[in-house]
Amino acid sequence: QQQVKQSPQSLIVQKGGISIINCAYENTAFDYFPWYQQFPGKGPALLIAIRPDVSEKKEGRFTISFNKSAKQFSLHIMDSQPGDSATYFCAASIHYGGSQGNLIFGKGTKLSVKP
Amino acid sequence: DAGITQSPRHKVTETGTPVTLRCHQTENHRYMYWYRQDPGHGLRLIHYSYGVKDTDKGEVSDGYSVSRSKTEDFLLTLESATSSQTSVYFCAISESGQIPGEQYFGPGTRLTVT
Repeated sequence: QQQVKQSPQSLIVQKGGISIINCAYENTAFDYFPWYQQFPGKGPALLIAIRPDVSEKKEGRFTISFNKSAKQFSLHIMDSQPGDSATYFCAASIHYGGSQGNLIFGKGTKLSVKP
Repeated sequence: DAGITQSPRHKVTETGTPVTLRCHQTENHRYMYWYRQDPGHGLRLIHYSYGVKDTDKGEVSDGYSVSRSKTEDFLLTLESATSSQTSVYFCAISESGQIPGEQYFGPGTRLTVT
């Protein structure tokens, strides 16, 4: 119930195309859903995040879509660029009271954007 | 990398030897984490700390111990390294009161156990 399932494992997209990565979770207590971006040889970096009280959040070319009833959320990268080539991780956590829940990560998606 | 350093950055060691990895932060953040990253497994939490001398186990804590004697330092020790502990280890930090999940990661330590 603590798992976050991410798909696909790898993705190849042409420059200018739309990249879509999907995640699903079981634990309905999760209330924070971040996406992390990781370049080779670097640590992951927070890209964008969403709370379940909204269905979509957009930051530049990156959009999170959230479907609470289906317990799914996805990352859309519009106008994908070769510089977006990286590994993307979805994650989920529980925030309760003043305590801080730990992140549960998906297994990652390696995105390659071809020029 | 948000004022986080990890040392060493690369290490090769032999099975059965003890190994200590260090995470140092200059952000004065309360929470510190150790993760391991393996192909096909993503990031898995080993141990975390919510204050000086306050630590707890994560998902894959067997074979690992941690210590935090100062706010800025979080040590991960492999008491007797095994080949299954070959991995890339990441330290992360976050601050209570801020949005949960907003963790900042260090550059990683690549550990090879032969």
